[in-house]
Amino acid sequence: SQTIHQWPATLVQPVGSPLSLECTVEGTSNPNLYWYRQAAGRGLQLLFYSVGIGQISSEVPQNLSASRPQDRQFILSSKKLLLSDSGFYLCAWSWGEWAYEQYFGPGTRLTVT
Amino acid sequence: AQTVTQSQPEMSVQEAETVTLSCTYDTSESNYYLFWYKQPPSRQMILVIRQEAYKQQNATENRFSVNFQKAAKSFSLKISDSQLGDTAMYFCAFMKLQGAQKLVFGQGTRLTINP
Repeated sequence: SQTIHQWPATLVQPVGSPLSLECTVEGTSNPNLYWYRQAAGRGLQLLFYSVGIGQISSEVPQNLSASRPQDRQFILSSKKLLLSDSGFYLCAWSWGEWAYEQYFGPGTRLTVT
Repeated sequence: AQTVTQSQPEMSVQEAETVTLSCTYDTSESNYYLFWYKQPPSRQMILVIRQEAYKQQNATENRFSVNFQKAAKSFSLKISDSQLGDTAMYFCAFMKLQGAQKLVFGQGTRLTINP
């Protein structure tokens, strides 16, 4: 069966510091991968998605970037965090003919202080 | 651009009652998917039910069913025989069939099931 991991689960970082959040998927190959952000009390907003290694699409201009160095690894980064980057970050995957169904990881709660 | 609206920020019902969560959406697409996701206190998003726009029959998954009204662009979720474990945030979401599979979420409804 497929599983999706995210780490860290919780992160507190000062403004101006770098960020690296990691997402990995097990049990499948060539998944579609997604990064979402959920601000407090709000719905999810798609940040990035990837259909293959090195293929990244950005949905909104922001202080963040994404990379996919390996088939089942998706990384969310920032060189300098802003207060507005605080939120709950969720990674999701989908695959093949069922690509319309996305399955989410446990998420990372990021607090920028 | 597609938008999804959930007009009920919070709802509360007694255990074993039936509850209906509302969702409306706006799109010019004719083929798409609609979803309900559940986010319990653990914060992990869980897919509850899916509806294909080309299907007239409403989707059902055990105690969960939808009322899909394509012309009205309405997609409500009914939870029958509600249980304490149903307490969660519920999000309605839209996805176009064409292009990248991107979910557009509503703002969510916080549902509390009381004992």
